[in-house]
Amino acid sequence: GQQLNQSPQSMFIQEGEDVSMNCTSSSIFNTWLWYKQDPGEGPVLLIALYKAGELTSNGRLTAQFGITRKDSFLNISASIPSDVGIYFCAGRWGNDMRFGAGTRLTVKP
Amino acid sequence: GAVVSQHPSRVICKSGTSVKIECRSLDFQATTMFWYRQFPKQSLMLMATSNEGSKATYEQGVEKDKFLINHASLTLSTLTVTSAHPEDSSFYICSARKGPNTEAFFGQGTRLTVV
Repeated sequence: GQQLNQSPQSMFIQEGEDVSMNCTSSSIFNTWLWYKQDPGEGPVLLIALYKAGELTSNGRLTAQFGITRKDSFLNISASIPSDVGIYFCAGRWGNDMRFGAGTRLTVKP
Repeated sequence: GAVVSQHPSRVICKSGTSVKIECRSLDFQATTMFWYRQFPKQSLMLMATSNEGSKATYEQGVEKDKFLINHASLTLSTLTVTSAHPEDSSFYICSARKGPNTEAFFGQGTRLTVV
């Protein structure tokens, strides 16, 4: 199946900094999802987006569903050490869901 | 929120043996469950989709006779890795959803090591 293009691959930031990551695809999706995965665990859903142009927040996290329906971004504001992990975007069309390669976030205290 | 439990979390087995991994939806009925495989520092790769009471649909390149999937009830799906080899060592993750066009929730994953 087609993979999404997620960037950056990894980020090393200082605590308190803001973070931005994005996903693009050549295909249209009707749902964009952002997950976080801690080491040795399964992914946990952070934000789900269902409408083109939609901007949704979950605490310090904000994500947007691109107007073209082919992209999405996730912002994390004022990062803290527990934000460390791998963030995956996922695009869904009906029963078909594809994942990005992940962004590995390291937060230095 | 919906809870999906996967068991065991870690398993070590000898080459040639079979291993069964269970995926349970604890507080909802899952019409569809998904099985993924994840290699170190890589994304999740869908192996198969299983609907309760019917045969699983496998992704291209996934051997259905090697990775047996059973979805006998609305709360349980199992993945059996048959005649395991060291190259089958990986992190296996299941997810479950209530119905079409609803979001799936993931189990905590199973680390399989074949020695």
